[in-house]
Amino acid sequence: AQSVTQLGSHVSVSEGALVLLRCNYSSSVPPYLFWYVQYPNQGLQLLLKYTSAATLVKGINGFEAEFKKSETSFHLTKPSAHMSDAAEYFCAVHKYTGRRALTFGSGTRLQVQP
Amino acid sequence: DVKVTQSSRYLVKRTGEKVFLECVQDMDHENMFWYRQDPGLGLRLIYFSYDVKMKEKGDIPEGYSVSREKKERFSLILESASTNQTSMYLCASRPNPGLAGGESSYEQYFGPGTRLTVT
Repeated sequence: AQSVTQLGSHVSVSEGALVLLRCNYSSSVPPYLFWYVQYPNQGLQLLLKYTSAATLVKGINGFEAEFKKSETSFHLTKPSAHMSDAAEYFCAVHKYTGRRALTFGSGTRLQVQP
Repeated sequence: DVKVTQSSRYLVKRTGEKVFLECVQDMDHENMFWYRQDPGLGLRLIYFSYDVKMKEKGDIPEGYSVSREKKERFSLILESASTNQTSMYLCASRPNPGLAGGESSYEQYFGPGTRLTVT
């Protein structure tokens, strides 16, 4: 069964510092990959998605992620953190064969210190 | 823009009560999903529906049932609420892939969530 692992349940960075949130997937076939963000008391909002068109994917709010097949990773980065980036981030995978729903990682809560 | 709405943002129910959580989407999506979200566990799939009156169990269906009588509406039912069902419940929808299998085929659109407390 495919799964998603997010390393680090909490990440804290200073404002202006690099943000790196890690995601690894297990799948023998490159899947569709997603990063979602959840602000307090809200639903999930799509940040970006990988669908095999390009390995470096740019999303909203200055975030990007790189698909690395050899490492089965899809880490999320942002060059300079902003206070408004404080939220919970979820990596998710959908394999094009198999069940219809996304499989989510356990989430990473990002704190941004002033 | 796709809009997914959930009937309540906050709900407090007593143990043993029957609870209905309603979800409505306005984009004619075939697929609808119910997840529960708990700290440290991420989102776990309870049930999903791929067509009217069609449903499949997810990873944690025990204690829940669902109903999809109309395409736009997907209901989650807690037959007899228990305290371990206190959680955030998220509804989502997405269309079937297009014939060309376009890029947005598997993106799910989420509602704002219902925070349910069972006392």
